[in-house]
Amino acid sequence: LAKTTQPISMDSYEGQEVNITCSHNNIATNDYITWYQQFPSQGPRFIIQGYKTKVTNEVASLFIPADRKSSTLSLPRVSLSDTAVYYCLVGDYEPYNQGGKLIFGQGTELSVKP
Amino acid sequence: NAGVTQTPKFQVLKTGQSMTLQCAQDMNHEYMSWYRQDPGMGLRLIHYSVGAGITDQGEVPNGYNVSRSTTEDFPLRLLSAAPSQTSVYFCASSYSDKPYGYTFGSGTRLTVV
Repeated sequence: LAKTTQPISMDSYEGQEVNITCSHNNIATNDYITWYQQFPSQGPRFIIQGYKTKVTNEVASLFIPADRKSSTLSLPRVSLSDTAVYYCLVGDYEPYNQGGKLIFGQGTELSVKP
Repeated sequence: NAGVTQTPKFQVLKTGQSMTLQCAQDMNHEYMSWYRQDPGMGLRLIHYSVGAGITDQGEVPNGYNVSRSTTEDFPLRLLSAAPSQTSVYFCASSYSDKPYGYTFGSGTRLTVV
């Protein structure tokens, strides 16, 4: 699995857009990028995944440049309830012989203030 | 549909005691995992299973045992508890061998004194 680097923490205010960048310089051709969100006192939950360009769902957007050496998770108009730790994971999906073996880094602790 | 259920939610053990953390899922997921989370260290994989009867070690397996006799259950056993095992433990299951399919339990907060 490719090594990832994220900021340890970020602060924001309600209503702002938050962008969390993950660096993965050694990403391989078959690797996908996956993001998980963990609220305090809860287990992580999957929020978005992508391979290239842009992916958007009801929770977030994921921007991946052409060289794929980084990715940016974008949270539009954050609220206090978006305070959480956000994890970036990079791994080979096809074939993904890592069933059960999800490996997390330290993640980015996002604090949203009123 | 309860998802992933972990019991107990809180536990205090004395050094040297043994105990089993329970994890059950009702989604017929093949893949199950145990993680521990310590302050400032993210989640670390302890053991995982790719199906009933098949388990393997993760990053930090020492001091823990697992078994997978059924698809639904994946208990984690602490053989002789140590203060270094004070942590929050999460169980997860997945229908897919891909990274996006994981459902996590709500965790067990364990304190070893």
